[in-house]
Amino acid sequence: QQQVKQSPQSLIVQKGGIPIINCAYENTAFDYFPWYQQFPGKGPALLIAIRPDVSEKKEGRFTISFNKSAKQFSLHIMDSQPGDSATYFCAARGQTGANNLFFGTGTRLTVIP
Amino acid sequence: NAGVTQTPKFQVLKTGQSMTLQCAQDMNHNSMYWYRQDPGMGLRLIYYSASEGTTDKGEVPNGYNVSRLNKREFSLRLESAAPSQTSVYFCASSPVRGLAGELFFGEGSRLTVL
Repeated sequence: QQQVKQSPQSLIVQKGGIPIINCAYENTAFDYFPWYQQFPGKGPALLIAIRPDVSEKKEGRFTISFNKSAKQFSLHIMDSQPGDSATYFCAARGQTGANNLFFGTGTRLTVIP
Repeated sequence: NAGVTQTPKFQVLKTGQSMTLQCAQDMNHNSMYWYRQDPGMGLRLIYYSASEGTTDKGEVPNGYNVSRLNKREFSLRLESAAPSQTSVYFCASSPVRGLAGELFFGEGSRLTVL
């Protein structure tokens, strides 16, 4: 059973557009929601993260929107650039144990010049 | 500043052969992890080590074994490789024991089993 559901699987936008990637979860015990960015041939790297006590977090052109009541969160990329083309993973962390990070299935983003 | 280093980066095996993927981190992290990445399935946890001296199964442990050699090194062994184990394998580490919110990944090892 997928603990975190991510959509869409792939996304193509024009340069300057605002791609949005959505994730949903069921476990209300999750307490930390990171997003990872992965370029081809590289490992994922932490991009931005949010805790459930805030509804939005911005870092540069990247914004996480969090809806606790709906158990959904999303990543928005403002003024997207071809260099943002990558695979993005959302994740959610449970409160106990070392095996407590659950990943979505990933979204492959392509930004066309 | 190497971070997490994995070797080898590429490997081709025949069915039934064995091999070990090596991972080392130089960030003094307590927890280490092995994931596999397959198209459309995201990152799936194979094994993890919360701290030196301990290892535990993740979501997809069958066909694999691990060794936490010391605090820096965590290896993944395939005893008898199968085509279903064709994948990209990632090692990761986390600075805080038992809290895998921030993971630092290696660059991956691409394994093909014929």
